[in-house]
Amino acid sequence: GDSVTQTEGLVTLTEGLPVMLNCTYQTAYSTFLFWYVQHLNEAPKLLLKSSTDNKRTEHQGFHATLHKSSSSFHLQKSSVQLSDSALYYCALSDRGYQNFYFGKGTSLTVIP
Amino acid sequence: EAAVTQSPRNKVAVTGGKVTLSCNQTNNHNNMYWYRQDTGHGLRLIHYSYGAGSTEKGDIPDGYKASRPSQENFSLILELATPSQTSVYFCASGDRGEQYFGPGTRLTVL
Repeated sequence: GDSVTQTEGLVTLTEGLPVMLNCTYQTAYSTFLFWYVQHLNEAPKLLLKSSTDNKRTEHQGFHATLHKSSSSFHLQKSSVQLSDSALYYCALSDRGYQNFYFGKGTSLTVIP
Repeated sequence: EAAVTQSPRNKVAVTGGKVTLSCNQTNNHNNMYWYRQDTGHGLRLIHYSYGAGSTEKGDIPDGYKASRPSQENFSLILELATPSQTSVYFCASGDRGEQYFGPGTRLTVL
């Protein structure tokens, strides 16, 4: 069945360093990929949605590129800030946006 | 601003009891979703709906029922609650993949 695998567990980085959170997926169908972010005691919110194959999408300093050849949609940022500390989820959906599969989440902590 | 509300925000239930979690959205979205969030498992889809009167099983539907009586309302029903259903439950409404989540309901089953 469909599934999403992402960098597991905790990632701790010093402010100003780059970050890449990995996301790979498995599906038999055409799909969309997403990154959602959840700050402490808040609800998840959409961060990025995939575009066409090999096209980069950007929002709030984060970017990701869908690579169908490697089934990946890694999240990157060139310089993390303290406010980026949060739980990050990679997710995929079918073309009708009805069935969603989320990864287990990656907790990013940024320290001064 | 999109608005999804959930009630109750906190609930303590007894094993074997019936629990109903309610969700209301004012976004006029066709798609609505129920998830549970557990450490080590992330967000898992329980049921979803693509319009009033429809409910579909997600990834982990066992032990849960759903009801979508109107465009705005989507309920999750635990007929016989068990301790393994202790979790945080999120409702969401969606438009072209962007999901707007409610604040969550923390359910404890004793």
